[in-house]
Amino acid sequence: AQTVTQSQPEMSVQEAETVTLSCTYDTSESDYYLFWYKQPPSRQMILVIRQEAYKQQNATENRFSVNFQKAAKSFSLKISDSQLGDAAMYFCAYRFSNTGKLIFGQGTTLQVKP
Amino acid sequence: DAGVTQSPTHLIKTRGQHVTLRCSPISGHKSVSWYQQVLGQGPQFIFQYYEKEERGRGNFPDRFSARQFPNYSSELNVNALLLGDSALYLCASSLVQLVGNEQFFGPGTRLTVL
Repeated sequence: AQTVTQSQPEMSVQEAETVTLSCTYDTSESDYYLFWYKQPPSRQMILVIRQEAYKQQNATENRFSVNFQKAAKSFSLKISDSQLGDAAMYFCAYRFSNTGKLIFGQGTTLQVKP
Repeated sequence: DAGVTQSPTHLIKTRGQHVTLRCSPISGHKSVSWYQQVLGQGPQFIFQYYEKEERGRGNFPDRFSARQFPNYSSELNVNALLLGDSALYLCASSLVQLVGNEQFFGPGTRLTVL
């Protein structure tokens, strides 16, 4: 069965600095999507970035980028120039190739210090 | 444009009761998924509906059921509530069921079972 593991329950970063959140997953599929979602205290889950497994190029969205290592089944999120508004719970998620089902990791709480 | 809406925002029930949660997808979106998020954990997939048909079911007991209406809104029903059903219930909508389609999440319904 597919699983998603986030081994860092909590992380902290100084404002304007860079932080990397880790995620590993296990699957036997070759075609799938990976996502990072942000959930601030307001609870609304917001998509940060997505990666198609068939694409070798790492996805980038402004200050957010991923390091996708398909062979190692690793999918880390790098946040550059951290801002106070980045403070939230971050979830790594795997999406099956033929359904809309998302498998989420346990989450990493990111604290941004001024 | 309005995002995904869910009602009610908060709900308190007692063990053994029944509850109905409602979700309205983004206009034009035909797929709705339901997730249960226990405090401090990642969301767990419950159901996915597309074009009014169930397209996926997570590992939840038969006490959980759902349906999708002709206007693509959806209801999640939980019978014989248990204390362990206390959680944030998230609804997500997407345009179609394609794997790459982004799922947009609603703010959730906080259910407390006493």
